[in-house]
Amino acid sequence: GIQVEQSPPDLILQEGANSTLRCNFSDSVNNLQWFHQNPWGQLINLFYIPSGTKQNGRLSATTVATERYSLLYISSSQTTDSGVYFCAVSYTGFQKLVFGTGTRLLVSP
Amino acid sequence: GAVVSQHPSWVICKSGTSVKIECRSLDFQATTMFWYRQFPKQSLMLMATSNEGSKATYEQGVEKDKFLINHASLTLSTLTVTSAHPEDSSFYICSANIDLLTQPQHFGDGTRLSIL
Repeated sequence: GIQVEQSPPDLILQEGANSTLRCNFSDSVNNLQWFHQNPWGQLINLFYIPSGTKQNGRLSATTVATERYSLLYISSSQTTDSGVYFCAVSYTGFQKLVFGTGTRLLVSP
Repeated sequence: GAVVSQHPSWVICKSGTSVKIECRSLDFQATTMFWYRQFPKQSLMLMATSNEGSKATYEQGVEKDKFLINHASLTLSTLTVTSAHPEDSSFYICSANIDLLTQPQHFGDGTRLSIL
């Protein structure tokens, strides 16, 4: 099946710093989503981005489908950005989402 | 729009009991819903695909007799953990969307299940 790897696995930042999270996938996809899982377990939908670039406030994401990777940029990080970030993909011809390994982010004041 | 509601959010029960978790699409119809499980400090793993009016499709390694899925209407899917044991303790979360191929999936808030 499709493999979805995220890097780095863990990231510690000081408030105000910028960061880039990466998601690599092993097959063609028709859906890619980025999520933030907060400490209560809720999955917050950040981006639906099977290709191209999108921005939402301090966050932006880019997916290069032909090269099978996606990037999530976080600028001017805040303590509330702490949590686990997942990318998830569904590959062409299938409907189910496969989640990546996750990046655990800790933003300290 | 595209809100998915999951209930209950937290369950604690004794070993051997059965637990039912509900997943509802509040403002859209979902012919397909998905059930995931997440163990502490791990990623989400798909358990099964719930299809309205037909049998669920289970992922390899998931016991269909242990995890009963019913999708009786276009807005409701239920997951029943039968004869639950401590190893079934986990975070269970469902998802649904309007168009599986062109729209994002929306997730419920999850159910934290603890079996004593």
